[in-house]
Amino acid sequence: GQNIDQPTEMTATEGAIVQINCTYQTSGFNGLFWYQQHAGEAPTFLSYNVLDGLEEKGRFSSFLSRSKGYSYLLLKELQMKDSASYLCAVRAPGYKLSFGAGTTVTVRA
Amino acid sequence: DARVTQTPRDKVTEMGQEVTMRCQPILGHNTVFWYRQTMMQGLELLAYFRNRAPLDDSGMPKDRFSAEMPDATLATLKIQPSEPRDSAVYFCASGWERDRGPSPLNTEAFFGQGTRLTVV
Repeated sequence: GQNIDQPTEMTATEGAIVQINCTYQTSGFNGLFWYQQHAGEAPTFLSYNVLDGLEEKGRFSSFLSRSKGYSYLLLKELQMKDSASYLCAVRAPGYKLSFGAGTTVTVRA
Repeated sequence: DARVTQTPRDKVTEMGQEVTMRCQPILGHNTVFWYRQTMMQGLELLAYFRNRAPLDDSGMPKDRFSAEMPDATLATLKIQPSEPRDSAVYFCASGWERDRGPSPLNTEAFFGQGTRLTVV
């Protein structure tokens, strides 16, 4: 089975940096995804890590440590539009994609 | 503009009725996922297909739920009979995966806009 943990909520100020952690225990690993989901909308893809290290994409970066079963999503220069739920998802061999419960980020002015 | 299309967007039905949700994956994608999302449970994987074959439907209540892919352009999720506890948003997602060779390759899953189901 798969167990994916991430904090329920985080609050930060506009312009600040927020780091969302994700830990996972899975029977096999074939990549980790981060998705963003605004209220009432579908999840949209943010990043993908399959090897250890940092992947940077504009204001968003994602890090993976396979040996520790750990990832984080870093959001820099926060904007009001970044208020959303951020979902960590792990792909197992056979490409089964399972999601964590999501972290709701609230950006305050 | 390639996108996953789901119909209907909203469905209100009475308990005991059959519900059918449809999904048109992105052309060329070979993997389709069905998820159910509720406030309490988050995104739960119900079933997924690769090349139209069901790979895993262990997350789906077998007695009332069924998922099929009649062809490469259509995936369906049926609930019969529906119950109030089935009320949720149902998402379909599609992606592309190559599972052969030394380096499996896959893309991210692209989600449809979801079907909001309310069973009263």
